[in-house]
Amino acid sequence: KAGVTQTPRYLIKTRGQQVTLSCSPISGHRSVSWYQQTPGQGLQFLFEYFSETQRNKGNFPGRFSGRQFSNSRSEMNVSTLELGDSALYLCASSVTGGRNYGYTFGSGTRLTVV
Amino acid sequence: TQLLEQSPQFLSIQEGENLTVYCNSSSVFSSLQWYRQEPGEGPVLLVTVVTGGEVKKLKRLTFQFGDARKDSSLHITAAQTGDTGLYLCAGDQGAQKLVFGQGTRLTINP
Repeated sequence: KAGVTQTPRYLIKTRGQQVTLSCSPISGHRSVSWYQQTPGQGLQFLFEYFSETQRNKGNFPGRFSGRQFSNSRSEMNVSTLELGDSALYLCASSVTGGRNYGYTFGSGTRLTVV
Repeated sequence: TQLLEQSPQFLSIQEGENLTVYCNSSSVFSSLQWYRQEPGEGPVLLVTVVTGGEVKKLKRLTFQFGDARKDSSLHITAAQTGDTGLYLCAGDQGAQKLVFGQGTRLTINP
């Protein structure tokens, strides 16, 4: 069965631009979460969507947003990019939300802001 | 403030040795998960522990959840070079989000 697919794998953007990342969860998984991973801060929770609704949000500025479509695919958008947004962005899916089951992560999108 | 403290942050040992990685918190978690991450890839789930005092074994890996559900440990017996990687613990507080530790970078030398 196909895993979690994230596109693109690599991205280079200029400061001030905006970017959209995509995540296709495992078929049948309705929960999609996004995490930012940096060497200094580790993995930090961005937000989680279930059935097109955002159920939880981490402590990130409003420049970070996301959405989920009816087929459970999700996108996250970062506007007005800053150098500090350079990171590996990971998407994780689970059947309902991860409790007792664990998450399946994609390979991530490596975003570099120059 | 890091909610989950992992120790050690770095560990380099010889093949065949045993090791233990610790994950500690002052918070209670409904479950705790361990992941392993290879360079350039996403974390891969190793195990989820749910019940206080629970012990799970996965071949040479033994995972334990503390009685109070605030801490966990990962013990590897007879480490192999293939065990090299970043080991992450993550706590689930029941709000559909995971809180991750900073990770333990494990290197097994041949």
